[in-house]
Amino acid sequence: DGGITQSPKYLFRKEGQNVTLSCEQNLNHDAMYWYRQDPGQGLRLIYYSQIVNDFQKGDIAEGYSVSREKKESFPLTVTSAQKNPTAFYLCATKGQGSGANVLTFGAGSRLTVL
Amino acid sequence: QKEVEQNSGPLSVPEGAIASLNCTYSDRGSQSFFWYRQYSGKSPELIMSIYSNGDKEDGRFTAQLNKASQYVSLLIRDSQPSDSATYLCAVKKNTGNQFYFGTGTSLTVIP
Repeated sequence: DGGITQSPKYLFRKEGQNVTLSCEQNLNHDAMYWYRQDPGQGLRLIYYSQIVNDFQKGDIAEGYSVSREKKESFPLTVTSAQKNPTAFYLCATKGQGSGANVLTFGAGSRLTVL
Repeated sequence: QKEVEQNSGPLSVPEGAIASLNCTYSDRGSQSFFWYRQYSGKSPELIMSIYSNGDKEDGRFTAQLNKASQYVSLLIRDSQPSDSATYLCAVKKNTGNQFYFGTGTSLTVIP
């Protein structure tokens, strides 16, 4: 069963706590992405990684951190420095080659700060 | 200036009508264009990709690309209530691996 698995689906956090969102893929895709979506807004890029042990900041990286120790995994940590973390977080992957130039999304993780 | 702009709507059409969704982009170097559908509370799913000027048809969906005008559109023929969703336009530049998304257009198909 190929795909992208995000967990948890729902997460509640108290202010001042760090939380980590998991993203695992078995599609053998090199590139992985984290997007944030707020109500009525489009997707904004947080971080992306094109290969293992390498990643680049997107437009809204402040208050977030990532790692890419394995090809299959790209976890996102929302730190206490992120002032407004309540949002829908989407992980995506992109395959290799000219025929795979599209993003495929996981089911998403909804984070609420109490 | 935003990379990708869409009319946020909402757009309402009666069942069986044609729904027309529009998108403009700012970077002339963009080469790849996508339409995603997103149901409420769900993640986006790819409907169409288009890379060359002109029309590309897939069932009831037609994507249109005009690079000179930096304009991409999506037509949905014979609209169904199940088409009610937010449609996101996305653009990928020729260099790098970043995808840029518009804010989405909310479509409601009225039975």
